[in-house]
Amino acid sequence: GNSVTQMEGPVTLSEEAFLTINCTYTATGYPSLFWYVQYPGEGLQLLLKATKADDKGSNKGFEATYRKETTSFHLEKGSVQVSDSAVYFCALNAGTDSWGKLQFGAGTQVVVTP
Amino acid sequence: DTAVSQTPKYLVTQMGNDKSIKCEQNLGHDTMYWYKQDSKKFLKIMFSYNNKELIINETVPNRFSPKSPDKAHLNLHINSLELGDSAVYFCASSPYRGRGTDTQYFGPGTRLTVL
Repeated sequence: GNSVTQMEGPVTLSEEAFLTINCTYTATGYPSLFWYVQYPGEGLQLLLKATKADDKGSNKGFEATYRKETTSFHLEKGSVQVSDSAVYFCALNAGTDSWGKLQFGAGTQVVVTP
Repeated sequence: DTAVSQTPKYLVTQMGNDKSIKCEQNLGHDTMYWYKQDSKKFLKIMFSYNNKELIINETVPNRFSPKSPDKAHLNLHINSLELGDSAVYFCASSPYRGRGTDTQYFGPGTRLTVL
């Protein structure tokens, strides 16, 4: 079946450090890939997405590239801020037969200290 | 204006009780979802409705019953609550039926605590 694996947290960084969160997936066909972010006490919101191989999603200084050859969608940001402290979820949607079902990774908590 | 809203935000109740959580979206979307987030933050889909039709029904105890009176509302009723039902329940919506590229928009969550 389909699955998403992402690195365990918490990841603790100093402000302005480089952030990478690894995400790999298993899926048949051509899934769409997403990064969602959950700030403390809030619901999830889309950070970025990519819907086909080699697409790069980007938003708020975050980037991730859909790599079909390595089945990966790693999230990166060049210089984090305290306000980036949150839980980050990698997710996939397997396509038209999945009725929109999102399959999530376990989430990675990121803590950015001043 | 809130896009996806849920009530209540917090729900504390005793084992064995029956409770409901309500969700409304004002985005004009066709599809709505319920997800459960456990204490380790793991998220799993429970149900999905498209224009009042149930399209996803994961392996969930039949004590959980979703109801969609219209495409803007999706409620979750839980009978005979158990300790293991304690979690945060998120409602979400997306524009079209089953289109895998669509973004899902999440509500703020309902934290259910069963004592």
